[in-house]
Amino acid sequence: GAVVSQHPSWVICKSGTSVKIECRSLDFQATTMFWYRQFPKQSLMLMATSNEGSKATYEQGVEKDKFLINHASLTLSTLTVTSAHPEDSSFYICSARKGEPYGYTFGSGTRLTVV
Amino acid sequence: GEDVEQSLFLSVREGDSSVINCTYTDSSSTYLYWYKQEPGAGLQLLTYIFSNMDMKQDQRLTVLLNKKDKHLSLRIADTQTGDSAIYFCAELRGNNRLAFGKGNQVVVIP
Repeated sequence: GAVVSQHPSWVICKSGTSVKIECRSLDFQATTMFWYRQFPKQSLMLMATSNEGSKATYEQGVEKDKFLINHASLTLSTLTVTSAHPEDSSFYICSARKGEPYGYTFGSGTRLTVV
Repeated sequence: GEDVEQSLFLSVREGDSSVINCTYTDSSSTYLYWYKQEPGAGLQLLTYIFSNMDMKQDQRLTVLLNKKDKHLSLRIADTQTGDSAIYFCAELRGNNRLAFGKGNQVVVIP
């Protein structure tokens, strides 16, 4: 199979602090991982493409200094929300692609609440 | 995701069939996917279809693809209460990125 593990499942943090979310491919190597954001009752919005060993590619309108992405190994990408504010509260989901026919496998998501 | 169209809500009685429709935009998309999302969870890949296929059946799931109209559908036979979820179609575009539909919430009534 193709399993992606995301941690933590949920986190509550104070405004102004930073939060790190991890995304791991458990049974395959992923040179590319993707980070999405999902608002309630809405679809997934691609934030950035995480590339192993190089800089992430951010979608238009996504602040790269606020959402720091590190893809230091073939099985781990991290998303750090820096200086979090209540408007950053959302559901963040990562995904990786093992290759056909598996398509894109998604993590279980992280619910971030900034208070 | 805003270019992939989906209807928003469907209620269905347990045991009946459900059909969810999706219209995608990129005729060069190679793969089209159906994902299921339960509350508070990530996306689970249900099935996919390659763009040169018209139909794919996988147990209770049947995917139909009309490339001419860029229309994708998912039929769930004998719908169960565990099928209650949000279903997203997605297309794999030429830049290897997934574009999602808005999602379709399916509610199964016992």
